[in-house]
Amino acid sequence: GEDVEQSLFLSVREGDSSVINCTYTDSSSTYLYWYKQEPGAGLQLLTYIFSNMDMKQDQRLTVLLNKKDKHLSLRIADTQTGDSAIYFCAEKRAGGGNKLTFGTGTQLKVEL
Amino acid sequence: DTAVSQTPKYLVTQMGNDKSIKCEQNLGHDTMYWYKQDSKKFLKIMFSYNNKELIINETVPNRFSPKSPDKAHLNLHINSLELGDSAVYFCASSPGGRNYQETQYFGPGTRLLVL
Repeated sequence: GEDVEQSLFLSVREGDSSVINCTYTDSSSTYLYWYKQEPGAGLQLLTYIFSNMDMKQDQRLTVLLNKKDKHLSLRIADTQTGDSAIYFCAEKRAGGGNKLTFGTGTQLKVEL
Repeated sequence: DTAVSQTPKYLVTQMGNDKSIKCEQNLGHDTMYWYKQDSKKFLKIMFSYNNKELIINETVPNRFSPKSPDKAHLNLHINSLELGDSAVYFCASSPGGRNYQETQYFGPGTRLLVL
């Protein structure tokens, strides 16, 4: 996690959009992922993006990748209370096999 | 059906004890992993096995010994438990272990508390 940074907390109102940011340092990243962890549960893959893509949209989720700045973001449209969780970005590096390096996690709180 | 299962879900034990955590996946995957999540939610890989062969071995004390009796199971044995071993341990699996995109599926975690 020391090479992949996220802000610790984000609070939004229900119905608003949430944007969770992630910065990484290794330019050899091949794939970047977003996982969701609900309280007391394991990690659930939300989406991923290949490093030669700029954007990927999947229903309410939009992933933006700025490879030059090594910046990844996850936008959740129409955020719901069920979206409250910890969100982790993770990167897979070339030559690293299937090893994932996780970010520090962002706690998203959705308020009514 | 649970894809990746771990037992036990909770484990409370005394310092110095030896304990094991078990993981099983019914997805037919070749690769399995152990991750440790500390109290600050920091998640880091410990080990990975591909078809019973160790392929990732991060800087982990040798008190931790993974064992894969077959490709559907990856167990974690911890000797001489220390207070700092208290964490949530997650097992995960993925199809192949090759260097292209493949999703890792996580188990529900084992919450270990060392007193």
